[in-house]
Amino acid sequence: SQKIEQNSEALNIQEGKTATLTCNYTNYSPAYLQWYRQDPGRGPVFLLLIRENEKEKRKERLKVTFDTTLKQSLFHITASQPADSATYLCALPGRSGNTGKLIFGQGTTLQVKP
Amino acid sequence: DAGVIQSPRHEVTEMGQEVTLRCKPISGHDYLFWYRQTMMRGLELLIYFNNNVPIDDSGMPEDRFSAKMPNASFSTLKIQPSEPRDSAVYFCASTWDRAKNIQYFGAGTRLSVL
Repeated sequence: SQKIEQNSEALNIQEGKTATLTCNYTNYSPAYLQWYRQDPGRGPVFLLLIRENEKEKRKERLKVTFDTTLKQSLFHITASQPADSATYLCALPGRSGNTGKLIFGQGTTLQVKP
Repeated sequence: DAGVIQSPRHEVTEMGQEVTLRCKPISGHDYLFWYRQTMMRGLELLIYFNNNVPIDDSGMPEDRFSAKMPNASFSTLKIQPSEPRDSAVYFCASTWDRAKNIQYFGAGTRLSVL
């Protein structure tokens, strides 16, 4: 079955540094991958989508890469700020024939210290 | 648009009682999803609907759980009878774009079964 792995340990970094979060997956070749942000007490909020034929996607201070050979996506936040502190989830679509379904990773909590 | 609206935000009940969670998707969205989030298992898809029809309910844990979508603007998730292990945050999400499946989440219902 599909398996998604994100770093379970919280990532603590200093303000201004670049945060890098990892999403690994197995047993699957997804057509795209998504990243969401979740703040405490709130629902996830969509950030970025990257397709299998795209190596990199950028949005303001965010950058996502997608390596289909390594079966890995990296999520970068440059010039990080305390307001970036949250849990970040990656998500993949269900297998072909059930693409209405999203499978989420456990999420990685990022803490940016001033 | 007000976004996905869930009610109640918090629910505390005793074991054995019936619990009903409610969701109003974003107008025009024809896909609706119910998720459960716990520390141990993360964000899990329970069921999703397309045009008010259940498409995949393979994530529904057992017969105690049921979901309905009587019209395009309303869905319920019912647990009867509730058990302490059902304690979790339940999210509803909706989308209109199956190709990208960017999901818009509600604020969630925090359920505590004593």
